[in-house]
Amino acid sequence: QKEVEQDPGPLSVPEGAIVSLNCTYSNSAFQYFMWYRQYSRKGPELLMYTYSSGNKEDGRFTAQVDKSSKYISLFIRDSQPSDSATYLCAMHHAGGTSYGKLTFGQGTILTVHP
Amino acid sequence: NAGVTQTPKFQVLKTGQSMTLQCAQDMNHEYMSWYRQDPGMGLRLIHYSVGAGITDQGEVPNGYNVSRSTTEDFPLRLLSAAPSQTSVYFCASSTTSGGFQETQYFGPGTRLLVL
Repeated sequence: QKEVEQDPGPLSVPEGAIVSLNCTYSNSAFQYFMWYRQYSRKGPELLMYTYSSGNKEDGRFTAQVDKSSKYISLFIRDSQPSDSATYLCAMHHAGGTSYGKLTFGQGTILTVHP
Repeated sequence: NAGVTQTPKFQVLKTGQSMTLQCAQDMNHEYMSWYRQDPGMGLRLIHYSVGAGITDQGEVPNGYNVSRSTTEDFPLRLLSAAPSQTSVYFCASSTTSGGFQETQYFGPGTRLLVL
């Protein structure tokens, strides 16, 4: 079983829809949770990160972490065609032999059509 | 700043050949890493380095070698290419602060095809 599971989709939504992207994980030591966005044939870029449980909002994007359920989500409001990309969740914990190592989900391919 | 640069952008190798993927960053980041990205597998860590002269293995290190002689450069060597190493390779760099890894900046990737 992978440490981080992410539904690869693909997900296709109309412009203006609310998008929900999710990851589950099995390692309870994970403390830092991130979402990366990757456009076609480009490197990933950090979209948001959260520490421990709770919500974080940045414009149209909201990241949510539920450590009790080992579940993280990214919500995109008023989705735009420019949001079409692959979204990767990533997480890591500080200290020990796993210092600084990110574990990624498989990525979800999102298409927002006009 | 150029950020993280990778060369070449695309490479075709024959089985058994060796090559070096180049990665450089101009942000004075101490932490650098190499990932490979395969369909349905996400990004998997190959090797990483927490500073010049210090490297360690990631999740999928077999068949790859790294060294870090300077802060700026972190080359990845394929010792004897195999078709299973066909992938897109990304280099990344970041600062670290008290164990939390700050934003990782990724390069544009190198697409490698091994025949």
